[in-house]
Amino acid sequence: NAGVIQTPRHKVTGKGQEATLWCEPISGHSAVFWYRQTIVQGLEFLTYFRNQAPIDDSGMPKERFSAQMPNQSHSTLKIQSTQPQDSAVYLCASSSDNQDTQYFGPGTRLLVL
Amino acid sequence: GQQVQQSPASLVLQEGENAELQCNFSTSLNSMQWFYQRPGGSLVSLFYNPSGTKHSGRLTSTTVIKERRSSLHISSSQTTDSGTYLCALNNNAGAKLTFGGGTRLTVRP
Repeated sequence: NAGVIQTPRHKVTGKGQEATLWCEPISGHSAVFWYRQTIVQGLEFLTYFRNQAPIDDSGMPKERFSAQMPNQSHSTLKIQSTQPQDSAVYLCASSSDNQDTQYFGPGTRLLVL
Repeated sequence: GQQVQQSPASLVLQEGENAELQCNFSTSLNSMQWFYQRPGGSLVSLFYNPSGTKHSGRLTSTTVIKERRSSLHISSSQTTDSGTYLCALNNNAGAKLTFGGGTRLTVRP
């Protein structure tokens, strides 16, 4: 079991560019969660899917951020027109149907210059 | 207000000392999870503990729902225990986690 896989591990973008982050959940897990971690705000929930359907996106900034889960093996978080304040570690987690335990990937460290 | 509060924010120990980390919450609880994170590292799940006491090696987690608190006890600390300990709860089964601010632990040789 490879655990949750996130790519890329590091990404540097210029202000105004687009960034796409990828997450592959643990095989067989039905729920995928996205979080963001910064020194100032700590760990914040962004959005999650269950069985590929969006369930709760209450933590997503209303503009420029979108997430998708086109199949059970991967989810993407897209940030359009990136801004320096988007710099953070973006974490993906997955959990199975009959357990609440969430397993986290290594994160993608995004730096917007 | 903040739903999940951890204390202390930071803690320095000499190797061999014990530590008690606290997590207090103001919302209803479905489950509580404790994580460990090295600087620049990923979150490692230590315990899933919705209620009662669980043990894993030198670590013990106790969650008391009616008192709205959970604790993590580290016995005989080692330098390799240094890092940040985070508690997180969800108040609906299968839903998002709300994290505390973490306790940064430093264990000196």
